[in-house]
Amino acid sequence: GAGVSQSPSNKVTEKGKDVELRCDPISGHTALYWYRQSLGQGLEFLIYFQGNSAPDKSGLPSDRFSAERTGGSVSTLTIQRTQQEDSAVYLCASSPSPTGRNGYTFGSGTRLTVV
Amino acid sequence: GQQLNQSPQSMFIQEGEDVSMNCTSSSIFNTWLWYKQEPGEGPVLLIALYKAGELTSNGRLTAQFGITRKDSFLNISASIPSDVGIYFCAGYTQGGSEKLVFGKGTKLTVNP
Repeated sequence: GAGVSQSPSNKVTEKGKDVELRCDPISGHTALYWYRQSLGQGLEFLIYFQGNSAPDKSGLPSDRFSAERTGGSVSTLTIQRTQQEDSAVYLCASSPSPTGRNGYTFGSGTRLTVV
Repeated sequence: GQQLNQSPQSMFIQEGEDVSMNCTSSSIFNTWLWYKQEPGEGPVLLIALYKAGELTSNGRLTAQFGITRKDSFLNISASIPSDVGIYFCAGYTQGGSEKLVFGKGTKLTVNP
């Protein structure tokens, strides 16, 4: 597609439920990144994919968080047993290659609210 | 992890004023990027800088890659209401990993 597409745009879930967030990167972009942005905060790195593998998952906050990427394209971020502190905007970005010198193209994010 | 110190955290200015914000790091960067994020959207790239000393403009925006390679600034001239948003600096460290490091952002409010 023309840009990075994320769905859903908004998600309200009850504490303890699992959620899946989807990212559809720009076609042909091999690198895909997930970031988290809490209210009024900067961008917190979660995980990076090159193709289908994840060389850097150092930012995942706990083992409740996991992500996968299939076919070198769509990625899913899964949060199990959601907690209120998981409430944030989850941003996905892609780039043609790692250390792409033009940086990343971001999606509009998924706003997750855990009640 | 790698930290970028971005300042100021927020700015409240009158329409027509000039704005300046900057980022510093203890590490050498080989690329500096400036992004703008508007409410409900993801960050959008404004300017990319690749060489120490480089000065690049994009309309009313001007950014520079510091000579020491440890800092960068962004200036906005003659601000207008649509400049409102959060501005982030970001960069790749020399010899660093394959992910961008981001500053915490400068929230800009422009009063008409």
